[in-house]
Amino acid sequence: AQTVTQSQPEMSVQEAETVTLSCTYDTSESNYYLFWYKQPPSRQMILVIRQEAYKQQNATENRFSVNFQKAAKSFSLKISDSQLGDTAMYFCAFPPQGGSEKLVFGKGTKLTVNP
Amino acid sequence: DAGITQSPRHKVTETGTPVTLRCHQTENHRYMYWYRQDPGHGLRLIHYSYGVKDTDKGEVSDGYSVSRSKTEDFLLTLESATSSQTSVYFCAIKIRGDSYEQYFGPGTRLTVT
Repeated sequence: AQTVTQSQPEMSVQEAETVTLSCTYDTSESNYYLFWYKQPPSRQMILVIRQEAYKQQNATENRFSVNFQKAAKSFSLKISDSQLGDTAMYFCAFPPQGGSEKLVFGKGTKLTVNP
Repeated sequence: DAGITQSPRHKVTETGTPVTLRCHQTENHRYMYWYRQDPGHGLRLIHYSYGVKDTDKGEVSDGYSVSRSKTEDFLLTLESATSSQTSVYFCAIKIRGDSYEQYFGPGTRLTVT
């Protein structure tokens, strides 16, 4: 079975500090994409960042970056200079099978940024 | 803005009544999805569609049916709602052809009493 595991149900960080959210996954595919989604209190699901497993370089989007370890099947999200607006649920997701059009989501990590 | 709307945004219904949720997109994307979100479970796929009249089941499809008679609309029906179907329902579309990323509608909060 293709699974995604987020081992941290809740985390907190002080404003302006850095925090890392963990995600591990299981797949037999060699090339695939990985995603982090953010869900603020407004409930809207927002794509934060994507990583292609074929690429060795870690993806970066402004204050958001990933640490992708393909051999370890690990895909963590680092948020630098945390802001109050980063308070949200964060979900890791990936398509479980090559050619599959479906995504499998982790159970989420609730991040609170404290002033 | 991926041009996805959901209706209704909130609904309260009684056990045993039929309920239909609508997802509408404005950009003719082929793939559309219905998820439910429950605390401690993340998002779970109910059904998805890969074209007009082409649908398939997800991991939690029991008690749900879907229809897609035109590209822009994807309907989710609870034939006889149960309290276990109280949830937040999200519609999504797949935009980029190679990366599988999905864009989501605003969600519908359904309460079955």
